[in-house]
Amino acid sequence: SQQGEEDPQALSIQEGENATMNCSYKTSINNLQWYRQNSGRGLVHLILIRSNEREKHSGRLRVTLDTSKKSSSLLITASRAADTASYFCATPRGGGADGLTFGKGTHLIIQP
Amino acid sequence: GAVVSQHPSRVICKSGTSVKIECRSLDFQATTMFWYRQFPKKSLMLMATSNEGSKATYEQGVEKDKFLINHASLTLSTLTVTSAHPEDSSFYICSASRIAGSYEQYFGPGTRLTVT
Repeated sequence: SQQGEEDPQALSIQEGENATMNCSYKTSINNLQWYRQNSGRGLVHLILIRSNEREKHSGRLRVTLDTSKKSSSLLITASRAADTASYFCATPRGGGADGLTFGKGTHLIIQP
Repeated sequence: GAVVSQHPSRVICKSGTSVKIECRSLDFQATTMFWYRQFPKKSLMLMATSNEGSKATYEQGVEKDKFLINHASLTLSTLTVTSAHPEDSSFYICSASRIAGSYEQYFGPGTRLTVT
């Protein structure tokens, strides 16, 4: 399997519900990032969590990181129709300002 | 702040022609820029790392003679797809790091290339 695999690949929920997406990775990392991509558009950086952090919050987003299991989760609370997008986790390919290895992504659909 | 633009946003070209895509950091200097490729409903794949004033570093499997990268200034990197073929049709996205050594990257809006 690839570095940074998201699960589920697709998720459809009702507006107002919480959405949880998971990501697994293979190698050691010093941080993990989550990005959002609206259809046919560029990526928007959501949150970065460092390897020495277990949980991080940003507005309605909550990210957890379990380095022992090499996994991360992204929780979006009180979802809105505007949250409909693809969500990717990404890890640096090396140290410093390196390119990112992206997971396959979770396509989230929020039903109004 | 930290805005990255790409031009053009969409381009259609004929097989055998070359296409240049520009990536600009509008309000910051980027010593390093990255080029990614994304197939429909797929994830992003890193193609190359572009460093200002030096040769780009290409990922395994990416033909450097086909995908020419030039990072002429701290705010501009270009990707030229040479002798394009239909299989080069894809979504190309660039990104830049605002702070040297920073892990956070800012992405451009992408360029949709269609080769007919």
